[in-house]
Amino acid sequence: DAGVTQSPTHLIKTRGQQVTLRCSPKSGHDTVSWYQQALGQGPQFIFQYYEEEERQRGNFPDRFSGHQFPNYSSELNVNALLLGDSALYLCASTSATGYDYGYTFGSGTRLTVV
Amino acid sequence: QKEVEQDPGPLSVPEGAIVSLNCTYSNSAFQYFMWYRQYSRKGPELLMYTYSSGNKEDGRFTAQVDKSSKYISLFIRDSQPSDSATYLCAMNRDDKIIFGKGTRLHILP
Repeated sequence: DAGVTQSPTHLIKTRGQQVTLRCSPKSGHDTVSWYQQALGQGPQFIFQYYEEEERQRGNFPDRFSGHQFPNYSSELNVNALLLGDSALYLCASTSATGYDYGYTFGSGTRLTVV
Repeated sequence: QKEVEQDPGPLSVPEGAIVSLNCTYSNSAFQYFMWYRQYSRKGPELLMYTYSSGNKEDGRFTAQVDKSSKYISLFIRDSQPSDSATYLCAMNRDDKIIFGKGTRLHILP
């Protein structure tokens, strides 16, 4: 199955630390978006990457940064972790050229900050 | 006022019943309307999407959009225990997907 792959699946970090989450998009997709889903809430848009550049950004502080590589995979970095950053981080991919509104989501990385 | 409002439930219905899930929204700029299903410890899975007012049917699922009332619905016919999940409405604006909080649905055998 060539769906969206995220790693790691679970992560525990200490307040103040930094974390890097990784995402490989679905085969054929070139656009990657990251979402934060707190417990009992819907996913919140963090940012979107296309052609290795941040194309759009949601209402998240600069502590959240990202990168997209030439093979379309992506990383989400969070610095100076806060307890409130504990959440499920979801990666979603789509094709910029295909108007494929089937944004495909990965299973997420569950981050716990202690 | 949030852009997308969705009752979080939980909603419990007996197996075989028709389920109705709803969302309201405030931004007329939304272009596409989607429903995602999310099982515990999984990412959201796209069920249906539409971009116009009216109904769209796919098997046991029907999505309904009323742009004049800024109201969308998802109907599930002949509900099954495997339909138990969180259902998220979502809307597209400038290539950003805005989600509702999700409604937790329990189908009772």
